[in-house]
Formats: sequence, C-alpha cells, structure tokens
Amino acid sequence: EAGVTQSPTHLIKTRGQQATLRCSPISGHTSVYWYQQALGLGLQFLLWYDEGEERNRGNFPPRFSGRQFPNYSSELNVNALELEDSALYLCASSLIRVASGSSYEQYFGPGTRLTVT
Amino acid sequence: EDKVVQSPLSLVVHEGDTVTLNCSYEVTNFRSLLWYKQEKKAPTFLFMLTSSGIEKKSGRLSSILDKKELFSILNITATQTGDSAVYLCAVLYSSASKIIFGSGTRLSIRP
Repeated sequence: EAGVTQSPTHLIKTRGQQATLRCSPISGHTSVYWYQQALGLGLQFLLWYDEGEERNRGNFPPRFSGRQFPNYSSELNVNALELEDSALYLCASSLIRVASGSSYEQYFGPGTRLTVT
Repeated sequence: EDKVVQSPLSLVVHEGDTVTLNCSYEVTNFRSLLWYKQEKKAPTFLFMLTSSGIEKKSGRLSSILDKKELFSILNITATQTGDSAVYLCAVLYSSASKIIFGSGTRLSIRP
C-alpha cells in the first residue's frame, strides 16, 4: 500500500514569492494535516482538512492557506514568503471514522524542504 | 497554555541498555497521546494511547499512559544502533481537531 506522498521534495523561493506544496494521502484516508518543522524546533500544527473542508488551523498567519480536493489530496499555499518560513513541511493523513470513533493515527509523508532566500 | 513537554531533550546510551523517555502534557480536551520515531524526515507512527494504565507493546518498545498524572513513558529495551532517532510525543485533541507535538528526545545509541 502506498504511503503519504509529498511534492516537491525541495523548493527554493525568494522572499515575497508564493509557494505551493502538495500532498497525497494514503488511499482511503480522508483527513490531511499540515505541519511546519523549522530547524531546531518541534512540529507545529498548521492546518487540518477533512472531507474537503478546513476543520482547524494552528497559530499561523492567514498567508498560510490551503485546500483539499475531492480525491482528498491537499495543497498548502504560503503567500508573501518570509525568511522564517524556511522549514520542513510535513503532511500527514488519517482515517477518521467519527461514527466508530477509531483510527486517529496519523501517517506522515517524507516532507517538502522549503528554503526562502 | 496547552503544552507537551518531553524529557530528556537528548540521551546517549550504549547498545543493549534500556531507556525510558518521558512525556508530560497539559492539554484541554485530551483524546489520545501518540508516539513517533523520526530518523531523517517523516516521523513514523509507534503507538497511540487513549486509556490509562494499558501498556502497548511492539517488540522491544512499550508505552503506557497515566491520565491522572498526565504523562506517558516510552521504554526501549536492549537498544540497538537502529534505535537512534528523535522520539516525538504528541497529544491529539478531542474530535481530532488539533494535535500538539513535544520538542522530542534525541536518542543516540553507541555501539
């Protein structure tokens, strides 16, 4: 079974530009979570999408946004890039069955390393 | 403010030793606590703990949750060099609406 995939692996942008990162969840998973892991810092929760809707977001400015497509894949967009946006961006997918209340484990993709110069 | 605190921040032991990693939390609307192993990039899932006092075990790794004292431990017995990694603890909020990660424990196993 294929795991979570992310693209691109690396992305280099200059300050002020926009970056688009992509994530494909494990087949059958409906939830996608985005995280930022800056150098020396822990994983910071960014966004949660489930069934095509944004369910929650972390303490990040509005220039971090995204969407989830009908096939449950997701995009993370970062506008007006700043130097401190340089980080590893991780996507995780999860199968949330509210009715049965099971299977909340998150499985991570390999990440996209974003460098802002 | 909700937080997840892991200790120690780093640990160096010899192959064959047993280690215990700690995770304490202060989180409203707790649902579950998760442990991950991060070697290079993607964290890999180890355990999810929802109920207090029930040990979860996978090979040489085991973990338990104490919801009264708000902490969890991850034990690794007979450590091997392949266990060297950053171990992350995370708390999932109810309704899976949010997750907070600790800063991790960097474990180094010397041959």
